[in-house]
Amino acid sequence: ETGVTQTPRHLVMGMTNKKSLKCEQHLGHNAMYWYKQSAKKPLELMFVYNFKEQTENNSVPSRFSPECPNSSHLFLHLHTLQPEDSALYLCASSQGLGTGIGRETQYFGPGTRLLVL
Amino acid sequence: AQTVTQSQPEMSVQEAETVTLSCTYDTSESDYYLFWYKQPPSRQMILVIRQEAYKQQNATENRFSVNFQKAAKSFSLKISDSQLGDAAMYFCAYRTDNTGKLIFGQGTTLQVKP
Repeated sequence: ETGVTQTPRHLVMGMTNKKSLKCEQHLGHNAMYWYKQSAKKPLELMFVYNFKEQTENNSVPSRFSPECPNSSHLFLHLHTLQPEDSALYLCASSQGLGTGIGRETQYFGPGTRLLVL
Repeated sequence: AQTVTQSQPEMSVQEAETVTLSCTYDTSESDYYLFWYKQPPSRQMILVIRQEAYKQQNATENRFSVNFQKAAKSFSLKISDSQLGDAAMYFCAYRTDNTGKLIFGQGTTLQVKP
């Protein structure tokens, strides 16, 4: 248990559906991240939020829409996805974006395994 | 651009033996952080060990230790007294600056044989 939870753990959706992934951290952190992990590929950073503000969008298609209402919660809204979007989506958090005294260490949730049909 | 390379897609070790996983990285920065994460079949990414580049002393965490060679840009993970629960995919990761970006290697799948 890392203090970062994600729901749902598994999700199957059609290409015309709209769904949302939820991430919650209980660590008192200020920065949160979404990563995509596809088969046989390194983890890809998607979005970074710091104090609820988006600081990084790694050229992610607009069919992925993140939302960070507060420092403890992060959502990823999904709509009109493609089969190639099937992957494991990991959420992570860290004390902040700075470095030193452990602030740079990211703690991950268990992931949501997404299948797009 | 920074890159992280794990050249061993798969490794195996006998239970109770020692194994070393390799990682190299490319950067022009002098101050950065390196990590090893473990991802068991449950897919939960678990931090194993962390190293600050400005520290010459190699980090250790119980049975896990690193061999950090800054000049060679090498960061290997040694697992001593391997246990069945160590079977997982291991990722090496690099972090610098204040953007929060973690750059991951491709991962090494470790099999532990009883």
